[in-house]
Amino acid sequence: GESVGLHLPTLSVQEGDNSIINCAYSNSASDYFIWYKQESGKGPQFIIDIRSNMDKRQGQRVTVLLNKTVKHLSLQIAATQPGDSAVYFCAEKVTGGGNKLTFGTGTQLKVEL
Amino acid sequence: DTEVTQTPKHLVMGMTNKKSLKCEQHMGHRAMYWYKQKAKKPPELMFVYSYEKLSINESVPSRFSPECPNSSLLNLHLHALQPEDSALYLCASSQMNLVVTDTQYFGPGTRLTVL
Repeated sequence: GESVGLHLPTLSVQEGDNSIINCAYSNSASDYFIWYKQESGKGPQFIIDIRSNMDKRQGQRVTVLLNKTVKHLSLQIAATQPGDSAVYFCAEKVTGGGNKLTFGTGTQLKVEL
Repeated sequence: DTEVTQTPKHLVMGMTNKKSLKCEQHMGHRAMYWYKQKAKKPPELMFVYSYEKLSINESVPSRFSPECPNSSLLNLHLHALQPEDSALYLCASSQMNLVVTDTQYFGPGTRLTVL
């Protein structure tokens, strides 16, 4: 399934399916992007990052894609598991911008058994 | 180890109280941050400390007063708060190594309720 992270939408997927979470970022000068996972009652947890000189980066079961032309970032989670249920935030940063992270609005991922 | 610890986990305070939130990291990071997060919203930056000096204050009301006693500790002193200040307060740290990929790592947060 797919979602657009412009509000706080909910993406529901079946266990074992692939998930795609989307994020539209705002600043064309941003050169570093991070995906965070936030479980209920916890702080954001780093998942994966990507620099603006790349268009794809893979981790364990996760892939981040970056399209600078349309200022779009996506997080793909392979074989989604119940433990993946959380709110996912994208964040962007501009080098020289005082190390400020600007967060997207987040997407709630629910994994159905 | 990418652990940032925060105390207390929960705090309930009245509008006339004075309290403090504490944050600690032992990763040798030289930048520390305070964020405020309301329910179903993304974290909002409040303060940034770089090398123990306040480098960013995002126009935060003076009833929030940050303090960085040393490179491992960050405090947030609270005084005369309003009920709308109730939120999850998150601390984060990063290496501040002046490279693009300076990742911030977050603590579990302090859930603050102002009555």
